[in-house]
Amino acid sequence: DADVTQTPRNRITKTGKRIMLECSQTKGHDRMYWYRQDPGLGLRLIYYSFDVKDINKGEISDGYSVSRQAQAKFSLSLESAIPNQTALYFCATSDGTGYAGELFFGEGSRLTVL
Amino acid sequence: GQNIDQPTEMTATEGAIVQINCTYQTSGFNGLFWYQQHAGEAPTFLSYNVLDGLEEKGRFSSFLSRSKGYSYLLLKELQMKDSASYLCAVPGSNDYKLSFGAGTTVTVRA
Repeated sequence: DADVTQTPRNRITKTGKRIMLECSQTKGHDRMYWYRQDPGLGLRLIYYSFDVKDINKGEISDGYSVSRQAQAKFSLSLESAIPNQTALYFCATSDGTGYAGELFFGEGSRLTVL
Repeated sequence: GQNIDQPTEMTATEGAIVQINCTYQTSGFNGLFWYQQHAGEAPTFLSYNVLDGLEEKGRFSSFLSRSKGYSYLLLKELQMKDSASYLCAVPGSNDYKLSFGAGTTVTVRA
C-alpha cells in the first residue's frame, strides 16, 4: 500500500459543484501539503499544514479550502468548482527534519471541471 | 518567493549524457532539490544539494553553485526509462515549503 493515499484518483464534475479530495498518510509526518500541477506551470502550492492546528495558505489558495482532521489526514475542498480548476492535484508530506523539505507525494488526483 | 528557471524540453539519445540546468533566486538558501516525474505519476526525490559542488549518485549527479544561484542535474548513460520530467525545487528561507520550477521534459530516443 502507498504511504500517501489520495482519493479519488480521477473525478469529473460540473461547474458549481462542491468537491473534496482526501489525503491520508502512514508515514507519521507532521507536515502535509496540497499542490496542483498544470502543463507548463509546474507544481504550485495551494495550502500546507505543519501540524494538526496549523493551516497556511500557499501561493494559489483562492477558491480552495482545507481541513486537517488528524495528523494523518488532510483534505482539500473546492466549494464551487470552476473549469480553470481542472488540474492534477498532489498531496505530499514531509517530516521537516534532515533534508529541509524532502516531499513524499501521493499518486495524484486528476480533476476535470466541465 | 523563489524564482526558478529551467529549460522546458531536452532530447537525447540512449547512452548519451544530458545536463539539465536550473537557476534560482531566493532570499535565503536552504538547499536545492531535484525530483523526477514520469508522465502521469507522482514526483520522486532524486537529490538534495546544500553545499557547493558535485554530488554523485550512480548515473545521476547534481551540482550546486550558491554564489551563482545555479544547479544542474547530469544524467549519464541515458536509458529509455529516464524519459521523464525533472523538477528543480528550493525551500523557502524560513518555512521550508518547496517551490518548484516548471520542469524539464527529457525525451530519450533509441
